[in-house]
Amino acid sequence: DAKTTQPNSMESNEEEPVHLPCNHSTISGTDYIHWYRQLPSQGPEYVIHGLTSNVNNRMASLAIAEDRKSSTLILHRATLRDAAVYYCILSGSSNTGKLIFGQGTTLQVKP
Amino acid sequence: GAGVSQSPSNKVTEKGKDVELRCDPISGHTALYWYRQSLGQGLEFLIYFQGNSAPDKSGLPSDRFSAERTGGSVSTLTIQRTQQEDSAVYLCASSSQGSTDTQYFGPGTRLTVL
Repeated sequence: DAKTTQPNSMESNEEEPVHLPCNHSTISGTDYIHWYRQLPSQGPEYVIHGLTSNVNNRMASLAIAEDRKSSTLILHRATLRDAAVYYCILSGSSNTGKLIFGQGTTLQVKP
Repeated sequence: GAGVSQSPSNKVTEKGKDVELRCDPISGHTALYWYRQSLGQGLEFLIYFQGNSAPDKSGLPSDRFSAERTGGSVSTLTIQRTQQEDSAVYLCASSSQGSTDTQYFGPGTRLTVL
């Protein structure tokens, strides 16, 4: 399974944008880039995913590098409720869709 | 609509006892996954069911762990002869078809083995 690398932790101020990076230099052509987050004492929840093009949804944006070896999750205006562990995961049709979670990035949002 | 539900929410058992954890996936979802999260650890894949195909059991840590999915819906994860290292939050997720589809997670069952 292709591996991802994320910073262990990041801090942000409330109402400011947050850019969460992820490196995945061994990504294969069929791997999708998924982001999930886990709020304290809850199960993970889906944030966004993409393959090659940048993606936007109501929660966040995903910027994917042209060579697909890295990506960035963008929260446009961080709120206190966005404090969570953010996981960047590669998942392709070859691995049944099982998610291989790394340590993720713990995001702290300061008021 | 209803999300993924799991029961019980908390389970305390004694070492050596068997436990059963239940997962009710979202209606119509053909793919079902079990994961576990130990204290201070990341999430670890355990087993995957997709329709009538043979399950992917590659993540089960020992032969004390088994899981069934009856009628393509409800799933039960069974841990026999529980050990203290089995203490963790056990999470279930479902997706509409598996593969690259979004997974929806339940709230988890917190298992404590004394």
